[in-house]
Amino acid sequence: DAGVIQSPRHEVTEMGQEVTLRCKPISGHNSLFWYRQTMMRGLELLIYFNNNVPIDDSGMPEDRFSAKMPNASFSTLKIQPSEPRDSAVYFCASSTPWGVNNEQFFGPGTRLTVL
Amino acid sequence: RKEVEQDPGPFNVPEGATVAFNCTYSNSASQSFFWYRQDCRKEPKLLMSVYSSGNEDGRFTAQLNRASQYISLLIRDSKLSDSATYLCVVTLSGGYNKLIFGAGTRLAVHP
Repeated sequence: DAGVIQSPRHEVTEMGQEVTLRCKPISGHNSLFWYRQTMMRGLELLIYFNNNVPIDDSGMPEDRFSAKMPNASFSTLKIQPSEPRDSAVYFCASSTPWGVNNEQFFGPGTRLTVL
Repeated sequence: RKEVEQDPGPFNVPEGATVAFNCTYSNSASQSFFWYRQDCRKEPKLLMSVYSSGNEDGRFTAQLNRASQYISLLIRDSKLSDSATYLCVVTLSGGYNKLIFGAGTRLAVHP
């Protein structure tokens, strides 16, 4: 299995531009998570999908952030408009069905720099 | 107060040393406990789950003290390849598999 796939791996953009991050979870995993990692705040959960439905978006910082999961094999995280403080590494992770001990498998991350 | 607290380190140890990391969590309703490992500029990966009775995986031993809300990781006979950041992780009861991460403890093993 290829693991969780994220694209792009690196993104450099200017303030005000729209940014779209993409994720393909591991086949058969029906839980998908978007995280953001910064030096200051560490790893934070942004949003959690189960069976393509957003279950917990309490970590989404503000209305500039939105996430979708149109099908079981694809999710996007969009920032519009982007700001310098959005610079971070964004990870997507997936896991098998609902269970507190199920391992989450992380993708390689997208390193976003907003100038 | 952070939900999961760790000493950020770095811990600089020679090869072959034994090193221990500690972690405390604030929510007594925490249900599951893990150690994840994150190499520099890489994604986190599960190192091991932590069980109430304590558990061992090769050179790694994890302990949980629910009364003190304290988790530990012991690494024996450190290898250069153990150099990484170790993230203490908990989940809460009654919910989905939501991981709450500590900020991590950085370990550097030198020759």
